[in-house]
Amino acid sequence: DAGVIQSPRHEVTEMGQEVTLRCKPISGHNSLFWYRQTMMRGLELLIYFNNNVPIDDSGMPEDRFSAKMPNASFSTLKIQPSEPRDSAVYFCATTETGGQETQYFGPGTRLLVL
Amino acid sequence: DQQVKQNSPSLSVQEGRISILNCDYTNSMFDYFLWYKKYPAEGPTFLISISSIKDKNEDGRFTVFLNKSAKHLSLHIVPSQPGDSAVYFCAASAGGGADGLTFGKGTHLIIQP
Repeated sequence: DAGVIQSPRHEVTEMGQEVTLRCKPISGHNSLFWYRQTMMRGLELLIYFNNNVPIDDSGMPEDRFSAKMPNASFSTLKIQPSEPRDSAVYFCATTETGGQETQYFGPGTRLLVL
Repeated sequence: DQQVKQNSPSLSVQEGRISILNCDYTNSMFDYFLWYKKYPAEGPTFLISISSIKDKNEDGRFTVFLNKSAKHLSLHIVPSQPGDSAVYFCAASAGGGADGLTFGKGTHLIIQP
């Protein structure tokens, strides 16, 4: 299995631009999580989905952030408009059923907003 | 307020010795705890976990201890090897693990030859 796939791996953009991060979960995994890692706050959960349905988005920092999971094999995290403080590494993780199981992380997308 | 705390940003241990990484939590609802290991430019990878009904779980060189009354867990690595040099994250979940994980800020373990 290829594992969790994230794209792009690196993104550099200018303040005000729209940014879209993508995640392809491991086949058969029904739960998907988006995390953000910064020096100040460490790894924070932004939002998670079970069977493509958003369950908890209380970690999404602002309305500028939105996430979708249109089908079981694809999810996006969008920032519009982006700001320099959004610069971070964004990780996607998935599990089979969302129970007490290991979350498998993708390699992350390193975002730099100038 | 951080619910999972790793108070040591870094730890240096000699190869062959024991590495002990510590983690404290404040949320009494947490019932499942995990340790993840992270190399630069990679995502965290699962290392070992423990349920709140246990106080110890062992997997090869790695052992996790849980002290519920103190809300404290620790990861022991014996013997430490150069490949163990990485950032280690403590994580916790509540509600049977169906929710996302709450992470500590990590401890950078450096194994010295």
